Amino acid sequence: KQEVTQIPAALSVPEGENLVLNCSFTDSAIYNLQWFRQDPGKGLTSLLLIQSSQREQTSGRLNASLDKSSGRSTLYIAASQPGDSATYLCAVKKDSNYQLIWGAGTKLIIKP
Amino acid sequence: EAQVTQNPRYLITVTGKKLTVTCSQNMNHEYMSWYRQDPGLGLRQIYYSMNVEVTDKGDVPEGYKVSRKEKRNFPLILESPSPNQTSLYFCASSLREDYNEQFFGPGTRLTVL
Repeated sequence: KQEVTQIPAALSVPEGENLVLNCSFTDSAIYNLQWFRQDPGKGLTSLLLIQSSQREQTSGRLNASLDKSSGRSTLYIAASQPGDSATYLCAVKKDSNYQLIWGAGTKLIIKP
Repeated sequence: EAQVTQNPRYLITVTGKKLTVTCSQNMNHEYMSWYRQDPGLGLRQIYYSMNVEVTDKGDVPEGYKVSRKEKRNFPLILESPSPNQTSLYFCASSLREDYNEQFFGPGTRLTVL
């Protein structure tokens, strides 16, 4: 059974720092992996999606990598800003028609 | 504006009092689902629907009911709420089940006393 883990559960860093959020999964046979952002009262927003055949995806200051063999993905945030404060969730999909399996998230606080 | 709406956003109720959380999307999406989110756990799927009149259980369906009589609406029904159903609930929709992009509602925080 696929399990998704995100460590740490919370992270606080000063503004301007580059940082890495981690996501690990137990079954390497995945269809894709997604990173989401969760803001209080605003639901979830998809940030990046990496297909199983890809190694990384970039969007602005965000870069997500995928290493299926080791069961790991990282979300790199460059030059962090207070507006990046949110909870970041990763989720994996086993197959195109399967549901997402979610990590519990990392709550990120960027201190001005 | 393309969106998923949920109502109510906050609800405090008592054990056994039936309630319905509504979910509506204006994107003509076929696939809709309900999740619950609890501290320290990832989102867990309660029920999903692949189209009108087609619903199926997710990972944690016990104590919940759903219906899909219209494409845009997917209400979540708690016939007899219990304290262990205190949680943050999200509705989501996507074009199809195999479509990667999901749109999420803002969440409903439910407390059952």
